[in-house]
Amino acid sequence: DGGITQSPKYLFRKEGQNVTLSCEQNLNHDAMYWYRQDPGQGLRLIYYSQIVNDFQKGDIAEGYSVSREKKESFPLTVTSAQKNPTAFYLCASSVGTEAFFGQGTRLTVV
Amino acid sequence: ELKVEQNPLFLSMQEGKNYTIYCNYSTTSDRLYWYRQDPGKSLESLFVLLSNGAVKQEGRLMASLDTKARLSTLHITAAVHDLSATYFCAVDIVGNYKLTFGKGTLLTVNP
Repeated sequence: DGGITQSPKYLFRKEGQNVTLSCEQNLNHDAMYWYRQDPGQGLRLIYYSQIVNDFQKGDIAEGYSVSREKKESFPLTVTSAQKNPTAFYLCASSVGTEAFFGQGTRLTVV
Repeated sequence: ELKVEQNPLFLSMQEGKNYTIYCNYSTTSDRLYWYRQDPGKSLESLFVLLSNGAVKQEGRLMASLDTKARLSTLHITAAVHDLSATYFCAVDIVGNYKLTFGKGTLLTVNP
């Protein structure tokens, strides 16, 4: 089935650790995105990529990094510089006027 | 900077009643999206509104767009418990490929 797969579903990070969230799509979409969701805040854009080997910062990119080496994959690394990483992370891809979302990764700092 | 405001943020209603959720945005845009989110789940696309005066309906939900007023509404008719969820509107500036979301409206439909 075509879709967007995020993994893992739950992730725990220790203080000072970098962790990487996976996002894979088999929809052949050029554009991919990472959003962060906090309670009562809606979704905020972290990074987006319109094409392979190119990406731009969104509204809250500090403490995060991404890569886009393949069309299908857009991994997000939460670095130790991100001081408050506990949140729900959603990956999306888009074509035309529609955006499709993955099932999300819930990251918790322990 | 594009801002998207939804109201109300919390809505508790009885089954069978009607209500409207409002979504205002600050910059000219031709693309307005409505999503539904159940607790702990991803976003489900409900409507994409692409032009002034666009109206779309699916079951008990109807969405409309007034680009001149920079306003979209999501109208709920004869609410049922299954509609309980958080509803988000989002705006996309054409060619930008970035969605800016409102904070969401948590809808609770009580028997």
